[in-house]
Amino acid sequence: DSGVTQTPKHLITATGQRVTLRCSPRSGDLSVYWYQQSLDQGLQFLIQYYNGEERAKGNILERFSAQQFPDLHSELNLSSLELGDSALYFCASSVVAENSPLHFGNGTRLTVT
Amino acid sequence: DAKTTQPPSMDCAEGRAANLPCNHSTISGNEYVYWYRQIHSQGPQYIIHGLKNNETNEMASLIITEDRKSSTLILPHATLRDTAVYYCIVRASSNTGKLIFGQGTTLQVKP
Repeated sequence: DSGVTQTPKHLITATGQRVTLRCSPRSGDLSVYWYQQSLDQGLQFLIQYYNGEERAKGNILERFSAQQFPDLHSELNLSSLELGDSALYFCASSVVAENSPLHFGNGTRLTVT
Repeated sequence: DAKTTQPPSMDCAEGRAANLPCNHSTISGNEYVYWYRQIHSQGPQYIIHGLKNNETNEMASLIITEDRKSSTLILPHATLRDTAVYYCIVRASSNTGKLIFGQGTTLQVKP
């Protein structure tokens, strides 16, 4: 158990809808990262937050947004969903120290029908 | 961050050592080598990381060549539960923290 909690585990929704994925980092970790893994793309970095502030951005679509709250949990919002958004979405967290490893949750599987 | 090259797949007999190679010939002095694995659709699991000295923990050993251009992850006694995709990642210490995953090596441990 990595200590990173993601909810829900599974989500099925229709095209055009909006969903919110939630992540609770490990106790004491200030950085949160979001990744997307689809069958044909591998693990893609989306965005990183550190102590409530956006720190780095990767291949995140404009339809997607994220935030990190004062209690350090994070939410990833996906809107105007398309079939191609079906994927596993992983959250990871780390402490604020050079070369500290990321610890991943077990993901949310999103299916868009 | 430097690019890494790994074989797409490898087999290993159960109980034997699994040696997973990684090439990172363009690595620079401040870049660490990280290893993760992903067991079928679960979240990536941190295994080990190192800069230039060999490292060992309860999961594995990491051997980095003296010129740092390649490394080997060693699982000393592979079990069927070690079947997974193994990712070798190079990350600069100045990096914001994110890891960039490649395609990894699919290790199949066979009975």
